[in-house]
Amino acid sequence: DAKTTQPNSMESNEEEPVHLPCNHSTISGTDYIHWYRQLPSQGPEYVIHGLTSNVNNRMASLAIAEDRKSSTLILHRATLRDAAVYYCILRDYGGSQGNLIFGKGTKLSVKP
Amino acid sequence: DGGITQSPKYLFRKEGQNVTLSCEQNLNHDAMYWYRQDPGQGLRLIYYSQIVNDFQKGDIAEGYSVSREKKESFPLTVTSAQKNPTAFYLCASSIQDVLGAQYFGPGTRLTVL
Repeated sequence: DAKTTQPNSMESNEEEPVHLPCNHSTISGTDYIHWYRQLPSQGPEYVIHGLTSNVNNRMASLAIAEDRKSSTLILHRATLRDAAVYYCILRDYGGSQGNLIFGKGTKLSVKP
Repeated sequence: DGGITQSPKYLFRKEGQNVTLSCEQNLNHDAMYWYRQDPGQGLRLIYYSQIVNDFQKGDIAEGYSVSREKKESFPLTVTSAQKNPTAFYLCASSIQDVLGAQYFGPGTRLTVL
């Protein structure tokens, strides 16, 4: 399975944008890029996913590099409730097994 | 409201006892999953089921067992054979599509004394 690399931790100020990077240099053509986040003592929550084009939803935006070897999750205006561990995960749409392969993720702290 | 529930939230057991964790979903999802999370780590897959009456081992299935007799339910039994059972256990479900978002329950924190 293709691997992802994320910084261990990042800090942000409340109401400022946050850019969370993810490197996936061995990504294959059939891998989608998914992002989940996990608040303390809770189950993970789906955030967004994309293949090649940039994607937007009510929670965040996903910017994907042209060569697809990296991507960035963008929170446009961080709130204290966005403090969580963010996981960047590759999912092969050609595969048959649906489980998610989690790394350690990036722990985002938001300062008031 | 549709969702996925796990009970109990906290569970304490003595070493050597089997314990069963509950997972129920009313999302009409075909696929269900059990993950284990240790402190400061990502999630690891224990078992998954893509359809009723069928399930497959994940990466760390030893010492665990599951059943899938109903679409809505996927209970996990932590047996006495599991060497380090103390962990945070998470259940998830999704539509039968490898790209579908997985919906997670709130988790059960198991402590074996």
